[in-house]
Amino acid sequence: AQSVAQPEDQVNVAEGNPLTVKCTYSVSGNPYLFWYVQYPNRGLQFLLKYITGDNLVKGSYGFEAEFNKSQTSFHLKKPSALVSDSALYFCAVRDPLNTGFQKLVFGTGTRLLVSP
Amino acid sequence: KAGVTQTPRYLIKTRGQQVTLSCSPISGHRSVSWYQQTPGQGLQFLFEYFSETQRNKGNFPGRFSGRQFSNSRSEMNVSTLELGDSALYLCASSLAARQVGANVLTFGAGSRLTVL
Repeated sequence: AQSVAQPEDQVNVAEGNPLTVKCTYSVSGNPYLFWYVQYPNRGLQFLLKYITGDNLVKGSYGFEAEFNKSQTSFHLKKPSALVSDSALYFCAVRDPLNTGFQKLVFGTGTRLLVSP
Repeated sequence: KAGVTQTPRYLIKTRGQQVTLSCSPISGHRSVSWYQQTPGQGLQFLFEYFSETQRNKGNFPGRFSGRQFSNSRSEMNVSTLELGDSALYLCASSLAARQVGANVLTFGAGSRLTVL
């Protein structure tokens, strides 16, 4: 069965500094990996995905993530954090061998707080 | 174009009652899934529908059910409500498999259910 781990409940970073939100995964086949962000009282918004190809994936709002197969990681990064980036971030994995197309397994989420 | 619309946004029920939540996907999206979000369990997959057929089901009791209509709109129902059913219920839609962008889920803002 697939699983996702986000080891940090919260990440604190000063505005203008680089940020990293960590994610590791476990899946039997080649994973489909995703990052979503959730703002208060809102649903989840898609940031980026890795399906195949280049290990460095660029997404919305200046975010990027690096797929590392040997370390089974998919960390989210941004070179310069903004206060408006403060939100709850979820890593998710889909096992393409599973029946069904929309079944994602989510991590527990990491709250990002960017201070001015 | 309009996003995923969920109704109602907030509702309060008492134990033993039943509830029906509605989801209208993005126009052209034929895949719809439901997720439950709670502070304790995080985001958990409930079920997925495509062309009025349930494609996948999560590990929830039979009190949780859903359906999809011919216009791709979906409803989920929870019968005999328990206190632990209090949660944010999120609906997501996507394009059908093999369509460009099919792997990206677009979430609604959710229906927040409180069971007293």
